[in-house]
Amino acid sequence: GEDVEQSLFLSVREGDSSVINCTYTDSSSTYLYWYKQEPGAGLQLLTYIFSNMDMKQDQRLTVLLNKKDKHLSLRIADTQTGDSAIYFCAERGRYGQNFVFGPGTRLSVLP
Amino acid sequence: GAVVSQHPSWVICKSGTSVKIECRSLDFQATTMFWYRQFPKQSLMLMATSNEGSKATYEQGVEKDKFLINHASLTLSTLTVTSAHPEDSSFYICSARDRTYLQETQYFGPGTRLLVL
Repeated sequence: GEDVEQSLFLSVREGDSSVINCTYTDSSSTYLYWYKQEPGAGLQLLTYIFSNMDMKQDQRLTVLLNKKDKHLSLRIADTQTGDSAIYFCAERGRYGQNFVFGPGTRLSVLP
Repeated sequence: GAVVSQHPSWVICKSGTSVKIECRSLDFQATTMFWYRQFPKQSLMLMATSNEGSKATYEQGVEKDKFLINHASLTLSTLTVTSAHPEDSSFYICSARDRTYLQETQYFGPGTRLLVL
């Protein structure tokens, strides 16, 4: 079945760049998403990328997609303490209605 | 961006009672909504897919008689946890699918934290 993997933890210093990685198995994925979850809150859509793209930039966020390796990454430039949260990668296959989520990466930003 | 609300945000109830959670899409129509459950420090687990005007589709291992889903309109889906027990205590999150000819995504509600005593 479909599977999405992420590393569970990442620590960076304030002002540095953060790179969160994700791998997925469904080669028919059409959209791939990054969501942010702050403590006790729901999920906030950060950005998404269509499978025929290899890069998308949105202000401090850069998404890179390597479709051949089924690898997705989210780069956060100039990471701030407010970026501390759990980041979920999710994919949606061509024929599925629902999303498949990764386990989430807990980003800690150190002062 | 699109907004999805959930009500209530917090609920504490006694074991054996039923709890209803509402999920609303506020500025778009959602023919499909999803209900997820999240245990502490874990990822989201899809419970069921709610389709407007038809029966919900439940994931394997989710009891449909315990978790009743009603998608009465294009902007409202409800999840009722019947005869709740302490093991049902969890964070329940709904999402609504927004589909246009350009793209498709899911917008999530803020979640409902259920504590069953």
